[in-house]
Amino acid sequence: KNEVEQSPQNLTAQEGEFITINCSYSVGISALHWLQQHPGGGIVSLFMLSSGKKKHGRLIATINIQEKHSSLHITASHPRDSAVYICAVDGSGNTGKLIFGQGTTLQVKP
Amino acid sequence: DAGVIQSPRHEVTEMGQEVTLRCKPISGHDYLFWYRQTMMRGLELLIYFNNNVPIDDSGMPEDRFSAKMPNASFSTLKIQPSEPRDSAVYFCASSPLVEQFFGPGTRLTVL
Repeated sequence: KNEVEQSPQNLTAQEGEFITINCSYSVGISALHWLQQHPGGGIVSLFMLSSGKKKHGRLIATINIQEKHSSLHITASHPRDSAVYICAVDGSGNTGKLIFGQGTTLQVKP
Repeated sequence: DAGVIQSPRHEVTEMGQEVTLRCKPISGHDYLFWYRQTMMRGLELLIYFNNNVPIDDSGMPEDRFSAKMPNASFSTLKIQPSEPRDSAVYFCASSPLVEQFFGPGTRLTVL
C-alpha cells in the first residue's frame, strides 16, 4: 500500500462544476503539498499546509491531521483547470523530502 | 528571477552513453532536489542537497547515477552508462525552506 493515496485517479467534469480531489496518507507529516502539473509538463506548487484550510482564488485546500486526510476543492471549474493534481507529504521535519501520491488527472469540458 | 533552469530540455541518447543533466536553482535557495517521473512510478525523489551538501541519496537507483552540486548555483545529475529503463522526465526543484519551485524538466529517452 502506498504511503500517499489519491482519489479519484481520473476525473471528468463539466465547466462550472465543483470538484473535490482527496488525499490520504499513512505517515506522520510536518506538511502536505498540493501540486499542479499541466499537459506541457511543468509543475507548480499550489498549496503547502500543515493545519486547517487555505484558499487561493477558486482553489481551496483543507487538511485534517487527526484523520490523515486532505482535500483540494475547485469551485466554478474551467477547462483551463485541466491538469494532473498531485498530493505530496513532507514527513521528515520540513526538509522538503516529499512522498508523492500517484496524481489525479482532471479534465474539465466546456 | 528566471526560476529554476534545466538543460537540456530534451535528450535522446543510445544505451551505454553517458548523460549529464544540468540545473541552476533560484538564487538564495538553500535546498535543491532531483526527481524522476515515469508513468509507472510517478514522481520519485532521487537526491537532495542542503547548502551544496548531499543530505539524502537513498532514492538514487544504483551506482550508475551520481549527482553533484559544486556551488550554490549549479548541480548535475549524471547517468553512466545509460539504459532504456532510465527513460523518464527528470525534474530539478529548489526551495528556500519548505515550498518547492520546480524546473521545466528534462525529457530523457534512452534507445
